[in-house]
Amino acid sequence: DSGVTQTPKHLITATGQRVTLRCSPRSGDLSVYWYQQSLDQGLQFLIQYYNGEERAKGNILERFSAQQFPDLHSELNLSSLELGDSALYFCASSVGTGHEITEAFFGQGTRLTVV
Amino acid sequence: AQKVTQAQTEISVVEKEDVTLDCVYETRDTTYYLFWYKQPPSGELVFLIRRNSFDEQNEISGRYSWNFQKSTSSFNFTITASQVVDSAVYFCALTLSYNQGGKLIFGQGTELSVKP
Repeated sequence: DSGVTQTPKHLITATGQRVTLRCSPRSGDLSVYWYQQSLDQGLQFLIQYYNGEERAKGNILERFSAQQFPDLHSELNLSSLELGDSALYFCASSVGTGHEITEAFFGQGTRLTVV
Repeated sequence: AQKVTQAQTEISVVEKEDVTLDCVYETRDTTYYLFWYKQPPSGELVFLIRRNSFDEQNEISGRYSWNFQKSTSSFNFTITASQVVDSAVYFCALTLSYNQGGKLIFGQGTELSVKP
């Protein structure tokens, strides 16, 4: 168990809908990362938050947004869903002091299926 | 641009064989970090090792060993005396210095199948 909790584990929704994925980082970790894993794109970095503020952005679609709350949990919002958004979405956390790179620990992932 | 290449898409071995997973990276930065993660059939990503660009010492952890060579931009992973439980997809990843946020750039992964 990595200590990173993601909910829900599975999500099935229709095209055009909006969903929210939730992540609770390991205790004490300030950095939260979101990644998307799909068969054609592999593991892609979406966005990072550090202590409540956006720190880095990857290939995240405009239909997607995220935030990190004062208690450090994070949510990834996906809207106007398309079939191609079906993927495994991972949250990861690291101590992330901002001055050194530490390993990121990943949650179990949320498998999103858009039908 | 930064890139990680895992040229071996799939590897199949018989239990107790040794197996090496290759990883080649590209970056112009002098400070970077390399990682290996394991993704078993259950789907989670499990951290295996972190290595920074200034530490070229090889590392051994039980049956696992890692060979980092800056001269060839490679960070290869060897499993000695493989076991069925080693069957998984293994990802090599690169991240740059802290001021770039620490995002991981993953290779495409190598699927290792260990048969009894």
